[in-house]
Amino acid sequence: DTGVSQDPRHKITKRGQNVTFRCDPISEHNRLYWYRQTLGQGPEFLTYFQNEAQLEKSRLLSDRFSAERPKGSFSTLEIQRTEQGDSAMYLCASSLDWESEQYFGPGTRLTVT
Amino acid sequence: QKEVEQNSGPLSVPEGAIASLNCTYSDRGSQSFFWYRQYSGKSPELIMSIYSNGDKEDGRFTAQLNKASQYVSLLIRDSQPSDSATYLCAVNEPNDYKLSFGAGTTVTVRA
Repeated sequence: DTGVSQDPRHKITKRGQNVTFRCDPISEHNRLYWYRQTLGQGPEFLTYFQNEAQLEKSRLLSDRFSAERPKGSFSTLEIQRTEQGDSAMYLCASSLDWESEQYFGPGTRLTVT
Repeated sequence: QKEVEQNSGPLSVPEGAIASLNCTYSDRGSQSFFWYRQYSGKSPELIMSIYSNGDKEDGRFTAQLNKASQYVSLLIRDSQPSDSATYLCAVNEPNDYKLSFGAGTTVTVRA
C-alpha cells in the first residue's frame, strides 16, 4: 500500500475565496473520512463515505462545505467563501471497512488570511 | 461526538523510563479503541488498536483496556527521545466506527 495521499499539503487563501482539497485513499479501502484539526485539539469528524455514498455529515460541516467521492475512489472537500475560522489542518483517513483501523494522510494545512 | 478525555500534559519522562498515558470515554457502547502518535506539524500515525478488555503489547507499547471503568491507557516502556510527540486517544462511535478523539497528551522524553 502506498498510503493515503492528500493534495495540496499547504494552502494559503484570502477570506472569501473557494478552496478544494483532494484525498486519495489506500487502494481498495471502501471507507473514507474527513476530519479537521485545530491547534491543541484532536481531530474532529467532518464526514465520511462508504464507497461513493456520503453517509454522514457532522454539524461542523456548514453549507459552505461540500464533499464528494465520485466512483468511490478519490474524494474532494470544497470550502466556499472561506472564513478565518476555517484555518485548520484538514485530514483524510481511509479504512478497509467499517470495523477496520483508520489510516491518515499527511493532511492539508489551510490558512485563511 | 462522544466525550474522550485524556490526562493533561505535558508529560516529561527521562530516557529509558516508562511513560503512562490515560484516557477515559463517556459512551459505554464504544467497542474499538486506538492510540495515535502525532509529531508536531504532522498527521496522526496509528500505533495501537485494542478491542477487548486486558492488555495488548506491541514492542515497547502496551495498551490496556477496561470497559467496565471506561478507561484505556498506553504504556511506553524504555522511552526514547524519538517517542517525544502528542499521543491521541480515539474511540469509535458505537455501530458506526467514526472516531472521537481526545485532545492529546504531549510527551517529552529528556535525554
